[in-house]
Amino acid sequence: NAGVMQNPRHLVRRRGQEARLRCSPMKGHSHVYWYRQLPEEGLKFMVYLQKENIIDESGMPKERFSAEFPKEGPSILRIQQVVRGDSAAYFCASSPDWDTEAFFGQGTRLTVV
Amino acid sequence: GENVGLHLPTLSVQEGDNSIINCAYSNSASDYFIWYKQESGKGPQFIIDIRSNMDKRQGQRVTVLLNKTVKHLSLQIAATQPGDSAVYFCAENRESGGYQKVTFGIGTKLQVIP
Repeated sequence: NAGVMQNPRHLVRRRGQEARLRCSPMKGHSHVYWYRQLPEEGLKFMVYLQKENIIDESGMPKERFSAEFPKEGPSILRIQQVVRGDSAAYFCASSPDWDTEAFFGQGTRLTVV
Repeated sequence: GENVGLHLPTLSVQEGDNSIINCAYSNSASDYFIWYKQESGKGPQFIIDIRSNMDKRQGQRVTVLLNKTVKHLSLQIAATQPGDSAVYFCAENRESGGYQKVTFGIGTKLQVIP
């Protein structure tokens, strides 16, 4: 059973471009979480999704950021018109249920130049 | 709430000594707690968990203690090794708006001195 797969591992975008971050949860996991982490800081919750539904997006900026978890395929975190302040590591985690441990991917490190 | 924008506290420990990492949580309704270890450049890895009906749980070289009275969680690492150097996060699983949500604490950086 492969772990949580995130791609790309590193992503460089120019200001104003779009960034698409992908997360394939572990097999059988229908709960997906996205977190953002700045260097030397903790993980900041962004969004929690179950298959085809956004359950909680309270940690996501209202503009330029969106997330989806379609019935088929990976979860996508999309950042439009990126700015330098979006540079961070973005981690995805998945779990089979709400009250069990979440497994994390290796993250996508986004650099905006 | 979540601690964002605060730099990580650091704990320095001599190799072979025991380490104790502490975490305070805010919601007395939280019923499931997890400790994660994050090595440089990697994603967080599960270490050990504990449910609110317990006050202690032991794993291999690690012990988690839960004090619900003061809403405090600790991770004890026995005979700390250089490979234990990492950032350690506690996480609480709590009901929020009718569903469960995992929220992380600020984290503690553990530095093991050889």
